[in-house]
Amino acid sequence: NAGVTQTPKFRVLKTGQSMTLLCAQDMNHEYMYWYRQDPGMGLRLIHYSVGEGTTAKGEVPDGYNVSRLKKQNFLLGLESAAPSQTSVYFCASSYVRNTEAFFGQGTRLTVV
Amino acid sequence: QQQVKQSPQSLIVQKGGISIINCAYENTAFDYFPWYQQFPGKGPALLIAIRPDVSEKKEGRFTISFNKSAKQFSLHIMDSQPGDSATYFCAASTAQGGSEKLVFGKGTKLTVNP
Repeated sequence: NAGVTQTPKFRVLKTGQSMTLLCAQDMNHEYMYWYRQDPGMGLRLIHYSVGEGTTAKGEVPDGYNVSRLKKQNFLLGLESAAPSQTSVYFCASSYVRNTEAFFGQGTRLTVV
Repeated sequence: QQQVKQSPQSLIVQKGGISIINCAYENTAFDYFPWYQQFPGKGPALLIAIRPDVSEKKEGRFTISFNKSAKQFSLHIMDSQPGDSATYFCAASTAQGGSEKLVFGKGTKLTVNP
């Protein structure tokens, strides 16, 4: 059972480049989340989705876009990467709100 | 704005001791309070969670104490073991104003010495 799978696991980008992070879950969860984790800052919510075709902004949405075209996938896009976006990105999913959120293994992104 | 304030930032405990991590919040719309455990190189995983209608929840060596009036909750790890060494995050969930969020504290790095 795969759970939550993030692709890629590592990536180095140059400033101004774009990329898409893919999150896939096989648990038929309605809710999906994207977080970034920085030293001393904990996990900060970027965007989230409460169902297929829906997205909403979290605490730190600037510079990111998301899409949830299929229930099992949640994509995070960086249109023009900046060094401040260097971070570890985690995707998570849950059946509904207030239930266990399952996290992926993370994507370590470095913007130079 | 940090919606959930967690302390301490780091904690060192001897094997067999009690580890205590505290969290405080302001938003009374929070209605679900989970704790997550994260090992290096891994994603966080749910450890234990509590809802505000109970004051304490225990699962094995892990206990959440919840004080609704003080808007505080804490994690107690009894008989701490070296394998408990990890980063612990408290979190809180709300659907206030139609905005459904699960927000996290900044984390506590726990080291349990043998």
